[in-house]
Amino acid sequence: EAAVTQSPRNKVAVTGGKVTLSCNQTNNHNNMYWYRQDTGHGLRLIHYSYGAGSTEKGDIPDGYKASRPSQENFSLILELATPSQTSVYFCASGDQDTQYFGPGTRLLVL
Amino acid sequence: GDSVTQTEGQVTVSESKSLIINCTYSATSIGYPNLFWYVRYPGEGLQLLLKVITAGQKGSSRGFEATYNKEATSFHLQKASVQESDSAVYYCALSEPSGSWQLIFGSGTQLTVMP
Repeated sequence: EAAVTQSPRNKVAVTGGKVTLSCNQTNNHNNMYWYRQDTGHGLRLIHYSYGAGSTEKGDIPDGYKASRPSQENFSLILELATPSQTSVYFCASGDQDTQYFGPGTRLLVL
Repeated sequence: GDSVTQTEGQVTVSESKSLIINCTYSATSIGYPNLFWYVRYPGEGLQLLLKVITAGQKGSSRGFEATYNKEATSFHLQKASVQESDSAVYYCALSEPSGSWQLIFGSGTQLTVMP
């Protein structure tokens, strides 16, 4: 069965601090994605990757960086966290027409 | 750009009653997008409920159905008889069959099934 895991599941950070959200997939999918989900909004794409070493900007990349060091791992980095980045973050891996999501990371920036 | 609209933010239905959650979409591709329903149960991540990649066809799963209506650009989710365990947030989404295959989501519909 498809498996996407995320860590941490919950995170409290301070404004101006650095935050790294990690994602691991065992599906051997080339594509991986980071979305954020805010109340009243659907999920919105932050960054995605076509494979190891590749990162691409999604619809809302400002304030975020991404890193894909291997097929299995895809990280989202907030170099200088701000309260507006308080949200739930979902990682996904996918083949061409289906994406499989992790359980989400709830981030609170104070 | 592409967009997905879910007009109902919250729906409350009594157990064993029928359900419809509305979804309409706008896609810029000259072909037809792939359409999805995802569900998020309390405390869990998103799960794929059903998908349809061919216009005119119907997808079904766990008693839920949705038909890809390209004329009306709609993909409404229906169930004949809901159960309390169906309480969750339902997201309609589309992807264009090229490039990043990113998903464009609607804002979600919180379904509460009353016993």
